[in-house]
Amino acid sequence: GQQVMQIPQYQHVQEGEDFTTYCNSSTTLSNIQWYKQRPGGHPVFLIQLVKSGEVKKQKRLTFQFGEAKKNSSLHITATQTTDVGTYFCAGPSGGYQKVTFGTGTKLQVIP
Amino acid sequence: SAVISQKPSRDICQRGTSLTIQCQVDSQVTMMFWYRQQPGQSLTLIATANQGSEATYESGFVIDKFPISRPNLTFSTLTVSNMSPEDSSIYLCSAQGAGETQYFGPGTRLLVL
Repeated sequence: GQQVMQIPQYQHVQEGEDFTTYCNSSTTLSNIQWYKQRPGGHPVFLIQLVKSGEVKKQKRLTFQFGEAKKNSSLHITATQTTDVGTYFCAGPSGGYQKVTFGTGTKLQVIP
Repeated sequence: SAVISQKPSRDICQRGTSLTIQCQVDSQVTMMFWYRQQPGQSLTLIATANQGSEATYESGFVIDKFPISRPNLTFSTLTVSNMSPEDSSIYLCSAQGAGETQYFGPGTRLLVL
């Protein structure tokens, strides 16, 4: 079945440093979604990318969808303590319009 | 986006008992899903809750253990039956938004003793 892997699994950064998480799918995706889950919270939808090579920005967050539509990245510039949480990518996984979530990257920001 | 509520928010249950989790969406949605998330892990899809028909279960999950109801387009329930400590987890419902995006409820934290 489809697998969606993310690296790294964990990342500790000093506040103000940049952070990047990478997402790789075993199959080509029609779109890629990103979610953020704060400690003790539930996943919250951040953004969806649809086009090959697409780049979208949300303030300090930059999302990219690979040319082959099998990988994606999320880059955070100048991290803040509010960025703490686990970031998941997710992609469609066949029938019934369901998605497969990636393994997640847990970000810890040291003040 | 949809606003989703779940109850209970948490529960402690004895093994062998059953717990029903309710999920309410503030608008009509076609697709609703139930997930399980172990601490520090990713989300695992249990089933898709179909309105007016039986739920569609993922590999490893069966209706006898996780019966699901979807009586209308704004509500669904998941029952965790005959619980064991291995069922201790966070259970999340979600509603599908545009383009297969998902909006999640706050989750139900279940501890089985």
